[in-house]
Amino acid sequence: QKEVEQDPGPLSVPEGAIVSLNCTYSNSAFQYFMWYRQYSRKGPELLMYTYSSGNKEDGRFTAQVDKSSKYISLFIRDSQPSDSATYLCAMREAGTASKLTFGTGTRLQVTL
Amino acid sequence: DAGVIQSPRHEVTEMGQEVTLRCKPISGHDYLFWYRQTMMRGLELLIYFNNNVPIDDSGMPEDRFSAKMPNASFSTLKIQPSEPRDSAVYFCASRQGLANTDTQYFGPGTRLTVL
Repeated sequence: QKEVEQDPGPLSVPEGAIVSLNCTYSNSAFQYFMWYRQYSRKGPELLMYTYSSGNKEDGRFTAQVDKSSKYISLFIRDSQPSDSATYLCAMREAGTASKLTFGTGTRLQVTL
Repeated sequence: DAGVIQSPRHEVTEMGQEVTLRCKPISGHDYLFWYRQTMMRGLELLIYFNNNVPIDDSGMPEDRFSAKMPNASFSTLKIQPSEPRDSAVYFCASRQGLANTDTQYFGPGTRLTVL
C-alpha cells in the first residue's frame, strides 16, 4: 500500500461547478500538507500549503486537513477551464526538512 | 529570474547508453531535488542536496543512477547503462532553505525515452 493514495481520475466537471479533490494517507507523522497543480507538459507548482488540521482558504481554493481521519481535501469553487490540470497532494513529517511524499495526482477537466 | 532550467527537454536513447540530465537551480536556492514521474508511480523523490551536499539518496533506484552537484548552480543526474524501464519524466526542483514554506520550484522536466 502506498503512503499516500489519490484517485487518478479523470474528473470532468462543467464550468462553475464546485470540485472536491482528496487524498488519504497512512503515515500519522505527516504534519505539513500541500497541493500542487501541474499543467500538461509542465512542472508542478505549489497551490496551497497547510500545517496540521484545519482549513485554509485562498481565493476560490480551500484546503482542508483532517488528521484524525488521515484525509485531506482541496475544494475549487466556481471552477474555470483554466483549472484543468493534474492536482497532486504532497505531505511531509516534521523535522524532515524537505522530503515530500506525493500522491499520484488527480486529472481534472473543466468543460465549457 | 528564469526559474529552474533543465536540459535536454527531450531525450531518446537506446538501451545500454549513458544518459545525462542537467539542471540549473534558481539563484540563491540552497536545496536541489531530483524527481522521477511515471503514470504508475507518480512523482518520486530520487535524491536531494543541501548546499551542494547529497542529503538523502534513498530514492535512487539502483547503482545505475548517480547524481552530482559540483557547485551551487549546476547538477547532473546520470543513468548508466539506461534501460527501457527508466523511461519517465525527470524533474529538478529547488528551494530556499530559509523560506517558511515547503515551496519547491520545479523545472519543466526532461522526458526520457529508452528504446
